[in-house]
Amino acid sequence: DAGITQSPRHKVTETGTPVTLRCHQTENHRYMYWYRQDPGHGLRLIHYSYGVKDTDKGEVSDGYSVSRSKTEDFLLTLESATSSQTSVYFCAISRTGVNTEAFFGQGTRLTVV
Amino acid sequence: DQQVKQNSPSLSVQEGRISILNCDYTNSMFDYFLWYKKYPAEGPTFLISISSIKDKNEDGRFTVFLNKSAKHLSLHIVPSQPGDSAVYFCAASAYKSFGNEKLTFGTGTRLTIIP
Repeated sequence: DAGITQSPRHKVTETGTPVTLRCHQTENHRYMYWYRQDPGHGLRLIHYSYGVKDTDKGEVSDGYSVSRSKTEDFLLTLESATSSQTSVYFCAISRTGVNTEAFFGQGTRLTVV
Repeated sequence: DQQVKQNSPSLSVQEGRISILNCDYTNSMFDYFLWYKKYPAEGPTFLISISSIKDKNEDGRFTVFLNKSAKHLSLHIVPSQPGDSAVYFCAASAYKSFGNEKLTFGTGTRLTIIP
């Protein structure tokens, strides 16, 4: 199994509070991704990173920010959590980003009440 | 705008028979396609992939077929086993230009294998 650890695995938070999810990898892969999974929508890309301090937006980036200060860590921050951000969040890593598979973490279930 | 579409949300197949999962895409820039399998409470796991220079790729019980002219791919599982019951996601990526190093996923098909 690819060395990807997401923390926390479960979190309940209140509307309006900031939340940070962490993804840690031990594979030294260049590319890291944050996806969210929702019924009827599959997996949608929030943000991704193609190197330290290099990030770009995905299709559902509003309300989210990311940071990557080290190769192994990719943080996803919900600036002010809303109920629409209740979801399961998956981190993924990829060696080259193209023509290759991405490996996923176990997921973080976030509930915003 | 859903660039990768899986129009069947669910599929039930008898154990031992063939399971066929379908996926359509609209972006002609996509040139690499993957299938992922997902069990509840776990992350998706890579199953099989195919490059646009091929029309078929086989790995054990799993075969992926690509029809570029129809912008369609399918995953065949033969024979189907109870452990194949999961949600299957189709994904695609576009290699040719910078900024496209990411996977676009379909909405998934829940496969249930009936013993």
